Amino acid sequence: DAGVTQSPTHLIKTRGQQVTLRCSPKSGHDTVSWYQQALGQGPQFIFQYYEEEERQRGNFPDRFSGHQFPNYSSELNVNALLLGDSALYLCASSFSGGGYTFGSGTRLTVV
Amino acid sequence: QQQVKQSPQSLIVQKGGIPIINCAYENTAFDYFPWYQQFPGKGPALLIAIRPDVSEKKEGRFTISFNKSAKQFSLHIMDSQPGDSATYFCAASMDRGATNKLIFGTGTLLAVQP
Repeated sequence: DAGVTQSPTHLIKTRGQQVTLRCSPKSGHDTVSWYQQALGQGPQFIFQYYEEEERQRGNFPDRFSGHQFPNYSSELNVNALLLGDSALYLCASSFSGGGYTFGSGTRLTVV
Repeated sequence: QQQVKQSPQSLIVQKGGIPIINCAYENTAFDYFPWYQQFPGKGPALLIAIRPDVSEKKEGRFTISFNKSAKQFSLHIMDSQPGDSATYFCAASMDRGATNKLIFGTGTLLAVQP
């Protein structure tokens, strides 16, 4: 049973560019959440998608946007990248009433 | 009020020892308190979780102790092994929703020496 799959695993972008990260949830899960984990810190909630709509949002600027597709997969888009956006981006999937399953993340480096 | 404070930042124990990691919160609306284990290059994995109507929960070698009046909870790892060496995060969320957003602590890097 495949867990949460994220792609790519590593990515290097230049300041000012745009990036798209992808997530396939665990089979049977319908909710996708995205977290940003800076080096040496705990994950911080970016937003959550359910039924193709943003259901909750953390304290992140509008440069961070997302999308959920009918097959429950999701994308995280970040525009106008800043050096401070360098982090591990984690996708977590869940089913109503159940806990999260996290993917291994995408390591984004902005230079 | 949204913060979860975690200590210590790092911890070294000998094999067989009982490392204890502590967390404190302010928001009494939190009603779900999980602990996650993270290995380098991997995402966090749920270890054990507790709700505030219970003071203690055990799963295998892992135990959560919960003190509602003090707004504190802790993780104990019995008979620790070198394979337990990882970063541990406490977290909290509200509205009785395990799928609601998690507020994470800053993490504890545990090293279990053989």
